[in-house]
Amino acid sequence: KAGVTQTPRYLIKTRGQQVTLSCSPISGHRSVSWYQQTPGQGLQFLFEYFSETQRNKGNFPGRFSGRQFSNSRSEMNVSTLELGDSALYLCASSARDRNSPLHFGNGTRLTVT
Amino acid sequence: EDKVVQSPLSLVVHEGDTVTLNCSYEVTNFRSLLWYKQEKKAPTFLFMLTSSGIEKKSGRLSSILDKKELFSILNITATQTGDSAVYLCAQTSYDKVIFGPGTSLSVIP
Repeated sequence: KAGVTQTPRYLIKTRGQQVTLSCSPISGHRSVSWYQQTPGQGLQFLFEYFSETQRNKGNFPGRFSGRQFSNSRSEMNVSTLELGDSALYLCASSARDRNSPLHFGNGTRLTVT
Repeated sequence: EDKVVQSPLSLVVHEGDTVTLNCSYEVTNFRSLLWYKQEKKAPTFLFMLTSSGIEKKSGRLSSILDKKELFSILNITATQTGDSAVYLCAQTSYDKVIFGPGTSLSVIP
């Protein structure tokens, strides 16, 4: 079974630009969640989607948004990029049951200059 | 505010040593406690704990949960250099997953 796939692996953007990251979950998984990982803050929850609906949201500004498609693939968008948005963005999928473990992709390393 | 704390934050041991990593939480609506190992990129799943006192084992790794005292431990016996990584614990509730800061483990030959 293929794992969680995230694209692109690396991105370099400048302040003020916007970016879209993509995540394909494990086949059959309907929940996709996104996390931001930085050395100072660790892994922080951004949001979770289930069946194309945002189920939960973390404490991030509205510049961070996402969506999920009918095939469970998900995208995350960050608008008006700031230097502090530089981070590893991880996507995780899990089975329908909320008590199922998260399976992570390799992440997208975003650098904002 | 809900919080997950891990200790120690950093640890250096020699190959063959046994280590114990700690995770405490204070999150409402607890559902499960997860342990992950993160080397370069994606955290890889180790254990999911939902019940107190039941040890989960996988090779040299084991973990247990104490829901009364709100903590979990991850034990690694006979450590190897390949165990060098950041170990993350996370607590899930009905509406969120909160990760601890991780314990950085370095195993030196």
